[in-house]
Parts: sequence; structure tokens; C-alpha cells
Amino acid sequence: GAVVSQHPSRVICKSGTSVKIECRSLDFQATTMFWYRQFPKQSLMLMATSNEGSKATYEQGVEKDKFLINHASLTLSTLTVTSAHPEDSSFYICSASLGASGNTIYFGEGSWLTVV
Amino acid sequence: DAKTTQPTSMDCAEGRAANLPCNHSTISGNEYVYWYRQIHSQGPQYIIHGLKNNETNEMASLIITEDRKSSTLILPHATLRDTAVYYCIARGTGNQFYFGTGTSLTVIP
Repeated sequence: GAVVSQHPSRVICKSGTSVKIECRSLDFQATTMFWYRQFPKQSLMLMATSNEGSKATYEQGVEKDKFLINHASLTLSTLTVTSAHPEDSSFYICSASLGASGNTIYFGEGSWLTVV
Repeated sequence: DAKTTQPTSMDCAEGRAANLPCNHSTISGNEYVYWYRQIHSQGPQYIIHGLKNNETNEMASLIITEDRKSSTLILPHATLRDTAVYYCIARGTGNQFYFGTGTSLTVIP
């Protein structure tokens, strides 16, 4: 089946620096990718929807200047956490879709970000 | 997208069928019902989805009521590896997936 891969799986960065997480669809072209954040013992929270070739759509309360999303190709979307702070430490998960509402959405393995 | 409600937690004996309910009383006609599960510290795993008809695959069966206001995910022979949080999601034409709190299923030996 379709596979979505994220990299890195774990990253530790210093407070104030920026970190980039990649999300790749390995065997299909994803017109839409989604980025989620999950805090311990909580559900996944949708951060933004990333459409290839256009600006991402952010959910209410998510700072677009802090969480930069780029979807430059049909197989790659990136999330950059800028000027990271300890409260940005979380599990970040991407997913990818072929687009139509009846199609399956596949999720990546997730990326653990720890800001120290 | 329609909001879904699920019980917070459930237990199931190993080898028995696990029946996980989901209410989606405000679902609209073009919204699919999707089920995913998440094992600790991993990305969600797709299980099954459907619109109106019952569906079955190698992992599970999905039973959708005729009025589509609720559904049940059935794991026919639960194993210890099925212990996870199960999410029921109604997905419309907006394409986004909004996760609820899910059901934490514990399979007991």
C-alpha cells in the first residue's frame, strides 16, 4: 500500500533555532498533505493543510510565521518550526492524500521534536 | 465535518471480537466514515472506511447503520497487538481529517 515517510524521526534542537521536518509520499503523488501535532496523552491536532504549488491553509490558532509549510512537489512537504521554544516540543505527524474525499489518507511515522 | 463521539476506553478479551462504537449523528450524505488506530508513539494506521454499505477487509469490518448516524468497527479476533487508540473520523469534501479523542482499546490476555 501507499507509504508516507517522515524525516527525521527524532530531533533535538536548541531553543531559538529552527528545525525542518520532511514528509514524503513514496509511491503516489499527493495533491494534499496535512500536518498534525500531538502532545502526550492527547489526540492529534490538525495544524495546516498543504496543497502542492499553493500556500498552506492554517487552522485557527496556529501561527503561520512560526510553522512554515512548503509543498514544492507532489511528493514532498516540509514543516519548519522557526525560533523553536521548549513548548514546541511535541510529536509532529504528516499525512498525504490523493485528494478525493473517498480516498484513504496515509500517515507518516511521526517526528519527535524536543527543544532544549 | 461531522463531529464523532466514541467511548473513552474499552477492554476486550484476547481472541474475542472487539466492537468499537462511534456516533456521528450530524454526518452529511457525502461524508465518509474512516477508522484509524494509533499505537503509542507511532503515526495513525489506516483500518477501513465506508460511506453507506458495510465494509470488510483483512483487518476489520465496518458496520454503518442505515441512517448513517452511527457505526461500529469490529475486530473479529482481538490480539494483544490490537491494543491501541482507535479513532473514528467523518470526512467530507473539505478533505481534512479532524481527530476526536478516540477509544483506548486494551486487549486483555
